[in-house]
Amino acid sequence: DVKVTQSSRYLVKRTGEKVFLECVQDMDHENMFWYRQDPGLGLRLIYFSYDVKMKEKGDIPEGYSVSREKKERFSLILESASTNQTSMYLCASSLTSALNTEAFFGQGTRLTVV
Amino acid sequence: LAKTTQPISMDSYEGQEVNITCSHNNIATNDYITWYQQFPSQGPRFIIQGYKTKVTNEVASLFIPADRKSSTLSLPRVSLSDTAVYYCLVGTPGGYQKVTFGTGTKLQVIP
Repeated sequence: DVKVTQSSRYLVKRTGEKVFLECVQDMDHENMFWYRQDPGLGLRLIYFSYDVKMKEKGDIPEGYSVSREKKERFSLILESASTNQTSMYLCASSLTSALNTEAFFGQGTRLTVV
Repeated sequence: LAKTTQPISMDSYEGQEVNITCSHNNIATNDYITWYQQFPSQGPRFIIQGYKTKVTNEVASLFIPADRKSSTLSLPRVSLSDTAVYYCLVGTPGGYQKVTFGTGTKLQVIP
């Protein structure tokens, strides 16, 4: 089975902290994605990556950055956490970026910024 | 990516067939239609994908009319465990592109 693993299920951080959310996939997928999910807003794409060291902005990249140094790992970085970044963060991977290829999601990280 | 429109929520009794329709008026010739299911506190999971006519798997059926401007996800004889949010996505294979979700349809199955 394809597995996408997010490093933490729950995380509490203070305003202004630098936060790292880690995601690892074990299926040699080229494409990886970071989303946040908020009530009433669905899933919104923050960043995606189609190859090592490559990244593209999604719909809401402000306040975030990403790192993909290895194919299996995609990190989301909150440079200076703010309370409006309290959310559920979901990582996904897929074999190609085409929508006719299944995307596999991690369990999510619920981040609370206090 | 083509914009999609789905009902915000639906209720259904156990044992009934549920049909969730998604509108995608601007679907492109090469776009596929994909549906995902998300349970509370979990990431979405792929249910079904199709290009035209009908696709069926062990979980659901997907009906796509000839003009492809809409699609219907059909869940046979739902149970309480089918309570989830269902997302419809459209997009063109090949190259790279954003995989974007809308707000989805929250299905509540009632005993």
